Amino acid sequence: DTEVTQTPKHLVMGMTNKKSLKCEQHMGHRAMYWYKQKAKKPPELMFVYSYEKLSINESVPSRFSPECPNSSLLNLHLHALQPEDSALYLCASSLQPGPSSYQPQHFGDGTRLSIL
Amino acid sequence: AQTVTQSQPEMSVQEAETVTLSCTYDTSENNYYLFWYKQPPSRQMILVIRQEAYKQQNATENRFSVNFQKAAKSFSLKISDSQLGDTAMYFCAFMTDLTTSGTYKYIFGTGTRLKVLA
Repeated sequence: DTEVTQTPKHLVMGMTNKKSLKCEQHMGHRAMYWYKQKAKKPPELMFVYSYEKLSINESVPSRFSPECPNSSLLNLHLHALQPEDSALYLCASSLQPGPSSYQPQHFGDGTRLSIL
Repeated sequence: AQTVTQSQPEMSVQEAETVTLSCTYDTSENNYYLFWYKQPPSRQMILVIRQEAYKQQNATENRFSVNFQKAAKSFSLKISDSQLGDTAMYFCAFMTDLTTSGTYKYIFGTGTRLKVLA
């Protein structure tokens, strides 16, 4: 069982729809990440939240809008997406770093998004 | 900028045999962390093994071990006694030092698709 839970597992939406992806973890992690992954490609970082504040935005189009309402939840709001946005969207979390700690990420199962 | 290179897009190995996946990286940092992640068809990314750059001893985790050559910036993964369940995409990942945003970033290689044959 994954410790990072993502819902829904699959999502099909039209280009004019508004939907949200959700991610939840209860491991006390204070860093949370959104990645986009195309088939047979590595994950591409989209956003990083650190202590519920957006710390990294990798020049993601504004049709993707992240939100971190509390330390356990991470949302990704979608609006007016394009067919090329179809991909697997992965959420991950990690502990905030100490001086000499390593930070493996824990990943969710992902949401398979298809844009019609 | 840091880069991670996996030069083997696909590999196959017979069940019970040993296989080595290669990974090289480029960085000017002295202290960093390296990881191997596995992504089976079920798609969840699972941490396989990790290595701290300041440790000379190679990390091992049951059937999985690494050959970490810091000077050569090489970080290969050896899987012994391969099992059918090892079939997956394997990603090498480099964790950067703290960015100016106070957060670590991970850089993933392009992946190696491993197939274990019965």
